[in-house]
Parts: sequence; structure tokens; C-alpha cells
Amino acid sequence: DAGITQSPRYKITETGRQVTLMCHQTWSHSYMFWYRQDLGHGLRLIYYSAAADITDKGEVPDGYVVSRSKTENFPLTLESATRSQTSVYFCASSEFGTGGVHGYGYTFGSGTRLTVV
Amino acid sequence: AQTVTQSQPEMSVQEAETVTLSCTYDTSESDYYLFWYKQPPSRQMILVIRQEAYKQQNATENRFSVNFQKAAKSFSLKISDSQLGDAAMYFCAYRRNPRGSQGNLIFGKGTKLSVKP
Repeated sequence: DAGITQSPRYKITETGRQVTLMCHQTWSHSYMFWYRQDLGHGLRLIYYSAAADITDKGEVPDGYVVSRSKTENFPLTLESATRSQTSVYFCASSEFGTGGVHGYGYTFGSGTRLTVV
Repeated sequence: AQTVTQSQPEMSVQEAETVTLSCTYDTSESDYYLFWYKQPPSRQMILVIRQEAYKQQNATENRFSVNFQKAAKSFSLKISDSQLGDAAMYFCAYRRNPRGSQGNLIFGKGTKLSVKP
């Protein structure tokens, strides 16, 4: 089915470990995004990508790394996890130019709840 | 920089009644898009309604409608005939016209809506 898939849905990791959150979309959307959701902060942009091999920082990029070698995949890596990175992470995608089904809105994955202990 | 403010952290409504969620935003742009997203306990982000800034007519989607006041930079969501399934976190979001730029979605901090039977 077309859509956007995040994995894993839940993850517990230890402080200092590297962890990668996966995101895969079948819409062939140009834009992809990573947000984190925290109580009292709403959703904040970590990184985004306008196309394969083009990425840029968002509001809260420190401690995160992204790559986009293929249009459909946009993994997010925490290089050395800290407790402050405990959060729910959302991947999203969006069309460019035409607006598409959501009229310039985003299509979201189901989120990954990450706990760093 | 653009900002989105939701001044009501929590709201409550009786089933079958009407409730209005407030949202204000700050921007110097004239062409942009506004959205309301619903996040039920399942965590999925669901697009409820969107509004193009160049359109004077308020958007409606079944029981959901908006009151878009461009000069006042206000974008409230009205839910009529509230149902138990409307209980969720609601996020207001802004996106500048993405043509020619990344046009990231900027979110408010959310309003938690409870529906009483």
C-alpha cells in the first residue's frame, strides 16, 4: 500500500548508544521531514530533505544525523543518544509544486516512541 | 520567523455541542497555507482541514469549519455536533507557499480536546 512507514514503532536504548530510526515512503514525494514531539513543545523540525542527497537542518538538529541516498528513504540517526532525546519522532513527506492530495500539507508516519535510559 | 500560537492547552466539550479551538500566527508573508491536524491516542497525525491564505472563503469539511481572519492572523477551528471520536490533540500549523522554497510546516503546541458523554 502507498504511504509512509516508520520503524521501529517503539525503541528503548541506553545513553551513549547509536540508534537509527527508519522512514520509507511510497508516494515519491520530493520533500521529507523529521519532527520530534514533546509535551509543551508541539512538533519541532529536526531535519528536512528537498530531494535525494539534499538535506538541511531544522529547528533542533543537534545530536542528529540524516541521509537521503534514495528518494524513498530518510533515516534519522542519533549518534550518541542522550536522555533529552527521549521523544516521539515523526517522519513526514510532502509533494512539491502541485500541492497534491493534501494541498501542501504533510503525510505523516505513525511515529516512533524512543526512550533513552 | 513565523510562529504559531495555540493559547488553550486543554478544552472540553459536551457530546453533540460545538467547540472552537483558537490559533493565531505571525508572519510577514502574504501567500501561505494553514492547517489543522488531529492526533488521537493512536498517535497518527490526521489532516482535518486546510485553508489557502489567498481564499477569503472559510474552509469547511463536514462538521469541521474554520474562521480565517487574515488581517488578525487568526485561524480558529469549529467542531460542530461533537462526537466522542473527536477527542484528541489538535495542532494548528502554518506553511509558507512552498513553491520555490522548502515551506516547512510550523506547528503550534497543541490543544487537547476532551469530549464528555
